[in-house]
Amino acid sequence: DTGVSQNPRHKITKRGQNVTFRCDPISEHNRLYWYRQTLGQGPEFLTYFQNEAQLEKSRLLSDRFSAERPKGSFSTLEIQRTEQGDSAMYLCASSLRRGLAGNTDTQYFGPGTRLTVL
Amino acid sequence: AQSVTQPDIHITVSEGASLELRCNYSYGATPYLFWYVQSPGQGLQLLLKYFSGDTLVQGIKGFEAEFKRSQSSFNLRKPSVHWSDAAEYFCAVGDPAGGNYQLIWGAGTKLIIKP
Repeated sequence: DTGVSQNPRHKITKRGQNVTFRCDPISEHNRLYWYRQTLGQGPEFLTYFQNEAQLEKSRLLSDRFSAERPKGSFSTLEIQRTEQGDSAMYLCASSLRRGLAGNTDTQYFGPGTRLTVL
Repeated sequence: AQSVTQPDIHITVSEGASLELRCNYSYGATPYLFWYVQSPGQGLQLLLKYFSGDTLVQGIKGFEAEFKRSQSSFNLRKPSVHWSDAAEYFCAVGDPAGGNYQLIWGAGTKLIIKP
């Protein structure tokens, strides 16, 4: 079990550029989550996947944001036309949801990608 | 709507002293409850969790938390802190009725350890 990994760890970009982040979950985990965390705050939920299906998106996820998990393994989060307000830590988590009735899975987090938009 | 309050932004304790970090939540029933710790440059690490059953939960690194339904609280405790416990601590709740996919987080409490 190598844990959740995220790349890159840091990204500095200019306003208006597109950026893409990658998350590799714990290998047997079927659920994958994206959160955003700004300084002095707790994480805020953005979206999550069950296998390759994106099941929920927060209102925080504007049209400039898109997430994919094409084969139910790794996921990418793309931000188009970045704005200074997008500067934050982007956190990925994964969990193992067993069966249809159980919902006591626990989310395990990666180290995050810190985005700075100049 | 669910919410989580961590009333203390910063707490300073001496090494070896006891610790209690407060967490209060707003939710219509009993939520799932979590404490995570975040160190600089590190991801969020799960300390402990409560789904049901015994209201006193033991976690890693000598931490424990007690769920008190009457007070809507889930306070984190440690009898004797070590310098390595200096970090930011987050309380989070999950919604059992809503499928427990979206965690709602408090703003965190930064723990400072005095030598």
